[in-house]
Amino acid sequence: DAGVTQSPTHLIKTRGQQVTLRCSPKSGHDTVSWYQQALGQGPQFIFQYYEEEERQRGNFPDRFSGHQFPNYSSELNVNALLLGDSALYLCASSPGAGTYEQYFGPGTRLTVT
Amino acid sequence: EDQVTQSPEALRLQEGESSSLNCSYTVSGLRGLFWYRQDPGKGPEFLFTLYSAGEEKEKERLKATLTKKESFLHITAPKPEDSATYLCAVQAAGGSEKLVFGKGMKLTVNP
Repeated sequence: DAGVTQSPTHLIKTRGQQVTLRCSPKSGHDTVSWYQQALGQGPQFIFQYYEEEERQRGNFPDRFSGHQFPNYSSELNVNALLLGDSALYLCASSPGAGTYEQYFGPGTRLTVT
Repeated sequence: EDQVTQSPEALRLQEGESSSLNCSYTVSGLRGLFWYRQDPGKGPEFLFTLYSAGEEKEKERLKATLTKKESFLHITAPKPEDSATYLCAVQAAGGSEKLVFGKGMKLTVNP
């Protein structure tokens, strides 16, 4: 059973550019959440997608946007990159329907120079 | 605002030296408290969910307990492979599924 997968593994971008990160949830899961983890910190919630809609959003600016596809996979887009956006971006999936554990992927390490 | 505080921030143990990690939380109605293990440069690995005060869960050398304000992760006779960062997170009741994490506790177990 494949777990949560994310691509790419690493990414280096320049300030002001745009980036798209991808996530495939664990088999049988229909809910995808995105988190940002700065070095030495715990993950911070960005937003959650369910049934192709953004269900909840954390305290992140509109430069952060996302999408969920009919097969439940998801994308995270970040526009106008800032140096402070450098972090590990984590995708987590959950089966929904009363089960609350979230299972994380390996993450995408984004470096903004 | 929901908040999670973990202590200590870092802990060094000798192999076989048991200890406990603390996670204190404030949340507007707890749906669940979650423990994760994270190795450097990797995503968090799910360990336990605790739902109500008094609940306990065990997995190998790890045991998690929950009170109304705190959770403890007890590590019995740790081995070097237990070295990792341990994250605690809470999920509030009432429709939201977001996890609010603490900063984590870096555990190093020396042989």
